[in-house]
Amino acid sequence: EDQVTQSPEALRLQEGESSSLNCSYTVSGLRGLFWYRQDPGKGPEFLFTLYSAGEEKEKERLKATLTKKESFLHITAPKPEDSATYLCAVQSWRLYFGRGTQLTVWP
Amino acid sequence: GAVVSQHPSRVICKSGTSVKIECRSLDFQATTMFWYRQFPKKSLMLMATSNEGSKATYEQGVEKDKFLINHASLTLSTLTVTSAHPEDSSFYICSATASGREETQYFGPGTRLLVL
Repeated sequence: EDQVTQSPEALRLQEGESSSLNCSYTVSGLRGLFWYRQDPGKGPEFLFTLYSAGEEKEKERLKATLTKKESFLHITAPKPEDSATYLCAVQSWRLYFGRGTQLTVWP
Repeated sequence: GAVVSQHPSRVICKSGTSVKIECRSLDFQATTMFWYRQFPKKSLMLMATSNEGSKATYEQGVEKDKFLINHASLTLSTLTVTSAHPEDSSFYICSATASGREETQYFGPGTRLLVL
């Protein structure tokens, strides 16, 4: 059965403390892996699309990487405004979402 | 680019009434639009997929007579919650894909529905 698992469920970081979020997946026929950011009461905001193992994408303090079984979202020197829920989604014949990692960055 | 809007952002209605939610792609033509539902601290649950001019495809367990979807143009899809009940209270989010970038879904800001 196709599945997407994100860990940890919640992560608290001090401002400037770098870390990584994990998204592991078991899907047949991967067509793309997506990272979204969701703020409370808002819709998901598109961050990255990754298509093949070894691919990396960067945007400001965020860098997403992809292997054949998982993806990491690395956050370098996070700031309080990076606090949000980060969602991973995997596209095979349909789009499967993980439950997200709720990130809190405190000053 | 790839901006999706929803209207209204929040709505409160009485039990038994119907509520219509609009989803628009503002700067692109959407080949496909999707409707999701999200409960607090839960991930998105796909309700249905719609293509312009054709009937929506509903996910298992979603009542198509209760959640009416109309995709009349390449920039507009509507979700009507008919005879709403308190258990229909939720956060409804639409998304859209653009021609040539069909793999990436761009999401609207969501609509908070509260049924009293």
